[in-house]
Amino acid sequence: DAGITQSPRYKITETGRQVTLMCHQTWSHSYMFWYRQDLGHGLRLIYYSAAADITDKGEVPDGYVVSRSKTENFPLTLESATRSQTSVYFCASTMAGNEQYFGPGTRLTVT
Amino acid sequence: DQQVKQNSPSLSVQEGRISILNCDYTNSMFDYFLWYKKYPAEGPTFLISISSIKDKNEDGRFTVFLNKSAKHLSLHIVPSQPGDSAVYFCAASAYSNYQLIWGAGTKLIIKP
Repeated sequence: DAGITQSPRYKITETGRQVTLMCHQTWSHSYMFWYRQDLGHGLRLIYYSAAADITDKGEVPDGYVVSRSKTENFPLTLESATRSQTSVYFCASTMAGNEQYFGPGTRLTVT
Repeated sequence: DQQVKQNSPSLSVQEGRISILNCDYTNSMFDYFLWYKKYPAEGPTFLISISSIKDKNEDGRFTVFLNKSAKHLSLHIVPSQPGDSAVYFCAASAYSNYQLIWGAGTKLIIKP
């Protein structure tokens, strides 16, 4: 299906575990983004990428790692999950503009 | 320090009436503003945007107004419909760097 997909949709993991959230888009958009959404906050940017092999930190990058070896994929890895990383994670993409297109989100619970 | 603020966590409006959602910002470098709509268990979807060179942009039932001197924007929905019940986010960016700064959202409830 065309569009932007995220997997898994739901994930429960334990403190200290490594977990990777996947994001895949079929539009060949140059820019991709990872956000987290917490109650009382809007979406906060974790990392973004302007193209394959180009990534940069956003507002809240600590504890997260990203890579982008292919234009269509932008995985987000929590190297050692903490309870404060319990959140809903959204991936987004755009070709070149401010209108970003979002995936359905991954709800992550760290116990 | 929140650069984009939506001070109303929720808003309830009768079906058919006007819904007005407000957003304030503090960073004078912001030059592009967007509204997104979000249903539960889905990602945000783009609704409407406005550049700082304009003070109004319309798209069907949705109109966004920008008051740069007051650093304030508002989204008007006329007439409000049940399907408009959702959380609305205001977002802003500076000089097309594509990094959006988001407000905390306003939950709009349309009453039949």
